[in-house]
Amino acid sequence: SQTIHQWPATLVQPVGSPLSLECTVEGTSNPNLYWYRQAAGRGLQLLFYSVGIGQISSEVPQNLSASRPQDRQFILSSKKLLLSDSGFYLCAWMAGLTEAFFGQGTRLTVV
Amino acid sequence: GNSVTQMEGPVTLSEEAFLTINCTYTATGYPSLFWYVQYPGEGLQLLLKATKADDKGSNKGFEATYRKETTSFHLEKGSVQVSDSAVYFCALSGSKGYSSASKIIFGSGTRLSIRP
Repeated sequence: SQTIHQWPATLVQPVGSPLSLECTVEGTSNPNLYWYRQAAGRGLQLLFYSVGIGQISSEVPQNLSASRPQDRQFILSSKKLLLSDSGFYLCAWMAGLTEAFFGQGTRLTVV
Repeated sequence: GNSVTQMEGPVTLSEEAFLTINCTYTATGYPSLFWYVQYPGEGLQLLLKATKADDKGSNKGFEATYRKETTSFHLEKGSVQVSDSAVYFCALSGSKGYSSASKIIFGSGTRLSIRP
């Protein structure tokens, strides 16, 4: 069966520090991969999605970037974190148009 | 572009009450529609889905019908329980053949609290 791993679960980082969040998928090939951010008390904002290795689409201009070095690996990064980057980050994958499967999320607090 | 609008929360009900959470969408073609649920501190789980007009998705006593004429996918449950307290998200994925097919767009979420 397919599973999705996302880590770390929680992270506290100082302003100006770098960020790397990793997401890996098992049990499927060539999935569409997604990064979402959920700010406190707000909905899900699509940040990036990828339909294949090295293919990244950015939905909103921001301080973050994404990369897909392998078929089942999706990385969210920042060179210098801002306070406004705090939030709950969710990775998801989708095969076809049927449904998305989400990781457990990373709660990032920038201090 | 595609979008999803769902009713603002929070929604507070007593146990065994009837629940409706409204969701309407704007999309090109024939998107697939979903309801996801998020329990505190967790990621999202698929609750139910419908992939074509007039389909009814159902799970755990929840139901939603894909209404193309009203572009709606309202979530309903006849008798809610305390364990249903969570945040509910309406979502759509774009139609096959469109550039939006790869995107999953979510509504803003509705927080539901059930009183014992």
